[in-house]
Amino acid sequence: DGGITQSPKYLFRKEGQNVTLSCEQNLNHDAMYWYRQDPGQGLRLIYYSQIVNDFQKGDIAEGYSVSREKKESFPLTVTSAQKNPTAFYLCASSIRQGIYGYTFGSGTRLTVV
Amino acid sequence: AQSVTQLGSHVSVSEGALVLLRCNYSSSVPPYLFWYVQYPNQGLQLLLKYTSAATLVKGINGFEAEFKKSETSFHLTKPSAHMSDAAEYFCAVSDLAGNTGKLIFGQGTTLQVKP
Repeated sequence: DGGITQSPKYLFRKEGQNVTLSCEQNLNHDAMYWYRQDPGQGLRLIYYSQIVNDFQKGDIAEGYSVSREKKESFPLTVTSAQKNPTAFYLCASSIRQGIYGYTFGSGTRLTVV
Repeated sequence: AQSVTQLGSHVSVSEGALVLLRCNYSSSVPPYLFWYVQYPNQGLQLLLKYTSAATLVKGINGFEAEFKKSETSFHLTKPSAHMSDAAEYFCAVSDLAGNTGKLIFGQGTTLQVKP
């Protein structure tokens, strides 16, 4: 079955460490997105990519980095520069224009310890 | 710029009662509109979408939404709430005017269903 897979489901990080969240899709979608979700704040866009080897900053890109070397993969690195990284992270994908909506992964909960 | 406003961050209904979650949008072009549902610690699941065909859209789990251009609304309804409907619901509009392919999400509405 086609879908979008995020791993791991739960992730713990020590302060000062970088950590990478995985997102893989086999839907043949062109576009991929990373969102951060905090209680009461809805979904905030971190980065998005409409085609391979290209990506754009979203609303809260500071302290994060991404790559898009393959169509299927869009990993997100949370760097030590991110002041408050504890959150629920969601990855999504869509056809390029997003007119049919997104398919979401099941999320990664990151906790800084 | 396109935007979405969900009226009411929390809605509480009794089991068996009507569910009404409100969504208003702003768009300079004919919109594509979506409702998503999120259960705790899970991703978002598409409930239904409006893509300029019929104005009354039926989705999964007995939900439906009506596109009203004159009111710039896309409210989500379900005739009879079930305990399993308790979740967070997001309305979204596709950023067609900006040609980015992005969805613009509302802030979400948490639905509580009381026994």
